Amino acid sequence: GQQLNQSPQSMFIQEGEDVSMNCTSSSIFNTWLWYKQDPGEGPVLLIALYKAGELTSNGRLTAQFGITRKDSFLNISASIPSDVGIYFCAGQLKKAAGNKLTFGGGTRVLVKP
Amino acid sequence: NAGVTQTPKFQVLKTGQSMTLQCAQDMNHEYMSWYRQDPGMGLRLIHYSVGAGITDQGEVPNGYNVSRSTTEDFPLRLLSAAPSQTSVYFCASSRGGQVYEQYFGPGTRLTVT
Repeated sequence: GQQLNQSPQSMFIQEGEDVSMNCTSSSIFNTWLWYKQDPGEGPVLLIALYKAGELTSNGRLTAQFGITRKDSFLNISASIPSDVGIYFCAGQLKKAAGNKLTFGGGTRVLVKP
Repeated sequence: NAGVTQTPKFQVLKTGQSMTLQCAQDMNHEYMSWYRQDPGMGLRLIHYSVGAGITDQGEVPNGYNVSRSTTEDFPLRLLSAAPSQTSVYFCASSRGGQVYEQYFGPGTRLTVT
């Protein structure tokens, strides 16, 4: 079954705010990935992390690979309306065959009314 | 270069009917996978293939068959559709040895009544 716990499940953002979400696992992963999914489309890769402790940025996005290899977080700085969507973390277990990824349940990012 | 394409985009089936979801990629990727996405569950791996002629089961393979006769195509067959198979199905592909660069198709939304 699903092994990644992603939190929060949903959040509201106001333009200009920084937001943060994280992903935890009971298993050790050797690769962490963060995807964004817009309505009606497939997930798009945002950031990939390959080493424990690694901190990687992609524009306003920053993600870190936890030192224990069991967690990762994603930060979005100065959010804008197009940041709305569902963000998924995914991990690859050590020695997993066939490029198999395990996905978290997603964090739904919505705009504050 | 179309990337990963999936057809149909929407499908409604009656219980017991069979059908094939099509997936094709034009990036010469060795690895292809099928996922299903259900609310709150993230993406779960159904079947995957590490190359033409080679397939293997993922996390939730029951009720689905796959084959990989060419590098480009990876169809998913539902043998006898059940309401529990109502879901959104995504196909993904990646280059050999590079698990992180999985490219997803736009998805097929399937409803089984």
